[in-house]
Amino acid sequence: GAVVSQHPSRVICKSGTSVKIECRSLDFQATTMFWYRQFPKKSLMLMATSNEGSKATYEQGVEKDKFLINHASLTLSTLTVTSAHPEDSSFYICSPKGTSGLREETQYFGPGTRLLVL
Amino acid sequence: GDSVTQMEGPVTLSEEAFLTINCTYTATGYPSLFWYVQYPGEGLQLLLKATKADDKGSNKGFEATYRKETTSFHLEKGSVQVSDSAVYFCALNPGAGGGNKLTFGTGTQLKVEL
Repeated sequence: GAVVSQHPSRVICKSGTSVKIECRSLDFQATTMFWYRQFPKKSLMLMATSNEGSKATYEQGVEKDKFLINHASLTLSTLTVTSAHPEDSSFYICSPKGTSGLREETQYFGPGTRLLVL
Repeated sequence: GDSVTQMEGPVTLSEEAFLTINCTYTATGYPSLFWYVQYPGEGLQLLLKATKADDKGSNKGFEATYRKETTSFHLEKGSVQVSDSAVYFCALNPGAGGGNKLTFGTGTQLKVEL
């Protein structure tokens, strides 16, 4: 399967600071990027969808000014949690969708980033 | 809106036992159905899928049949191994009319012991 990396895998920050999470698709071009958030014992919640070079589309209830998404290239997308607060503590997962060679378009998932805001 | 309901875990089995993880869904139209698996420290991986009623998805000994009449997509395996220990997510994609966005269940943790 395709390789998707996220960095950092785990981050602890103070309340009020901003945290940037990187997501890279290492062997395919991600035309679409999904960002999810997962709470303990809950399902993945879609936060936003972005296409390369376009502004992200946010799901209802997700603050676009708080969760900044940049999808500047077909292999890199970033999620920045601005002015983080303890309630932003969660597990964030990127999910690039694209094709590799002649294979059909497929959605892959990164290993996730655990954010803890103190 | 669309939703997926799957059995709560953890499910603990002995090696070579039979596995069933129940999944039911609510959706308009004709969604595609998926099972994803997440091994410790890794991202979700597609395990199997079915795109229309009565289709059976299968992979690595796992099977699931798309049952429209019962809106179910239960995951089964005849003989589990310790290496199958992971979290399993049932999901649906409503298709282009629904924005092609996956909706996930809450995940079911499977623990297989020797």
